[in-house]
Amino acid sequence: SQTIHQWPATLVQPVGSPLSLECTVEGTSNPNLYWYRQAAGRGLQLLFYSVGIGQISSEVPQNLSASRPQDRQFILSSKKLLLSDSGFYLCAWDRGHSYEQYFGPGTRLTVT
Amino acid sequence: AQSVTQLGSHVSVSEGALVLLRCNYSSSVPPYLFWYVQYPNQGLQLLLKYTTGATLVKGINGFEAEFKKSETSFHLTKPSAHMSDAAEYFCAVSDRSSGSARQLTFGSGTQLTVLP
Repeated sequence: SQTIHQWPATLVQPVGSPLSLECTVEGTSNPNLYWYRQAAGRGLQLLFYSVGIGQISSEVPQNLSASRPQDRQFILSSKKLLLSDSGFYLCAWDRGHSYEQYFGPGTRLTVT
Repeated sequence: AQSVTQLGSHVSVSEGALVLLRCNYSSSVPPYLFWYVQYPNQGLQLLLKYTTGATLVKGINGFEAEFKKSETSFHLTKPSAHMSDAAEYFCAVSDRSSGSARQLTFGSGTQLTVLP
């Protein structure tokens, strides 16, 4: 069976500090990978998606970036965090031609 | 561009009562439709999906939803609410014409409270 991991589970970072969130999928190969952000009281916003190693598509221009160094690893980064980067970050995956996405447990980021 | 509207950001029902969560979409072509549930500080779990075929789809935990093309709706129902159903529910759509990566568009969510 497939499993998706995210770490860390929670993170408190000061404004201006760097960020690295990691997502790993087990039990499948060549998945599509997605990063979403969920701000308090709001829905989910797609940030990035990837259909393969090194292939990143950005949906929202911002100070965040994503990378996919390995087939089942997806990393969300920032060089300098802003207060507005606070939120719940969710990683998701799907098979190339499946319909539904499967979500990880999420990372709660608080920028202070 | 697609959009999803969930009517009612908060819905309260009594335990044992009918649960009805509303979802309407805007799309030129009937999309793929999904309902997800999110418990506090957790990821999203797929409840059910409609892709093709029978318009009444059954999901986990006793939930079901009906795709009505004429009404562009995909409302979620459960005949009898249980305390464990208290959570946030998200309706989502995916464009049938998407490439290999399917981009889900989510509604803003409905927080369901179940009263004892």
